[in-house]
Amino acid sequence: EVQLVQSGAEVKKAGESLKISCKGSGYSFSSYWIGWVRQMPGKGPEWMGIIYPSDSAIKQNPSFEGQVTLSADKSINTAYLQWTNVKASDTATYYCGRVRGGGENGYFDFWGRGTAVTVS
Amino acid sequence: EVVLTQSPGTLSLSPGERATLSCRATHTVSSIYLAWYQQKPGQPPRLLIYGASNRASGIPDRFSGSGSGTDFTLTISRLEPEDFAVYYCHQYAASPRTFGQGTKVEIK
Repeated sequence: EVQLVQSGAEVKKAGESLKISCKGSGYSFSSYWIGWVRQMPGKGPEWMGIIYPSDSAIKQNPSFEGQVTLSADKSINTAYLQWTNVKASDTATYYCGRVRGGGENGYFDFWGRGTAVTVS
Repeated sequence: EVVLTQSPGTLSLSPGERATLSCRATHTVSSIYLAWYQQKPGQPPRLLIYGASNRASGIPDRFSGSGSGTDFTLTISRLEPEDFAVYYCHQYAASPRTFGQGTKVEIK
């Protein structure tokens, strides 16, 4: 069974650093792109970027470039999303998803349950 | 950027009725790169349709997708109580990939 297990909710102060994780199981983690999606309260999802764990290739939404860093450790089947300096506007739920269908041009077929980030 | 505009914003219907949701793109999207998701409060999105018209595994056949070019449709033939939720379209052809703002299907 494919599963993506995300790290728990975070409460941070503006200016702090943050790293959240997404651990895959039940499939060949290195063989599928993993993506991150932001969903602000009451809003639609926003595609942040995707990473290919096999070689850490990244495709990122320009709107998020320089704001967050995507990384992955294929040895432990885990992808990460990292901030060096969180802002109140980063308050949202962040989902990871497995990309399926066309290499990097794919849809999300499995999703994590989300990590809620609150920045005050 | 391909902007996806969904309409209506809210659809008020009764169980058993037919729901028709629209997704319009600002640029042509190859139909193989259009998906639909369902989201309920406190849950992640759930894949319903990919490639504009292909049902994902385990999705009931009352859900169907159609369309091409810039106009796509998700149809729920007969609403069941569990179908009341928010629905999003998603294009994964162009960078950045984008989602629509959602259509909420609520009980009338």
